[in-house]
Amino acid sequence: EAGVTQFPSHSVIEKGQTVTLRCDPISGHDNLYWYRRVMGKEIKFLLHFVKESKQDESGMPNNRFLAERTGGTYSTLKVQPAELEDSGVYFCASSLRLNTEAFFGQGTRLTVV
Amino acid sequence: QKEVEQNSGPLSVPEGAIASLNCTYSDRGSQSFFWYRQYSGKSPELIMSIYSNGDKEDGRFTAQLNKASQYVSLLIRDSQPSDSATYLCAGTGSGYSTLTFGKGTMLLVSP
Repeated sequence: EAGVTQFPSHSVIEKGQTVTLRCDPISGHDNLYWYRRVMGKEIKFLLHFVKESKQDESGMPNNRFLAERTGGTYSTLKVQPAELEDSGVYFCASSLRLNTEAFFGQGTRLTVV
Repeated sequence: QKEVEQNSGPLSVPEGAIASLNCTYSDRGSQSFFWYRQYSGKSPELIMSIYSNGDKEDGRFTAQLNKASQYVSLLIRDSQPSDSATYLCAGTGSGYSTLTFGKGTMLLVSP
């Protein structure tokens, strides 16, 4: 069974550009999470989908970030326009049920220059 | 603000020794706890979960939870050089299932 997959693995963009990250969760996992780790800090929560609905988006830093999960399958996270402080590693995770084990993808390393 | 605290390390142990990794948390309502192992440049890999007070053993790993003291630990017996990684402690709070992570403890196992 395939794990959580993320694309791209790396992205380097200029300040002001737009980037879209994609996450494919483990098949059958209704819960999908986005997390981010910036240099020197802990991994921090961004938002949580249950199927196609946003359950919790309290971690989204500002309105330059837009996440979608159309059809309750894969999810995208768009950053528009990107700023320097958006650089970091963006992780996606999925879980079968609430409060159970979450499995992480390999992450997308975003560098904004 | 909910926090999970870990000593950043590095924690150095010789091969074959027991490595003890510790974590404290501030949210008394936290329900579930997880230990992830992360190799440099790789994704966090789930190695243990614990939901109730006491010990939980899985192979060379033992997780311990003490909710009264708000303390979680991970013991790795017979440590191997391949165990060298950063170990992340994470917990979920009351009423939500998102994870709050510590910064991680780097473990170095020397041959």
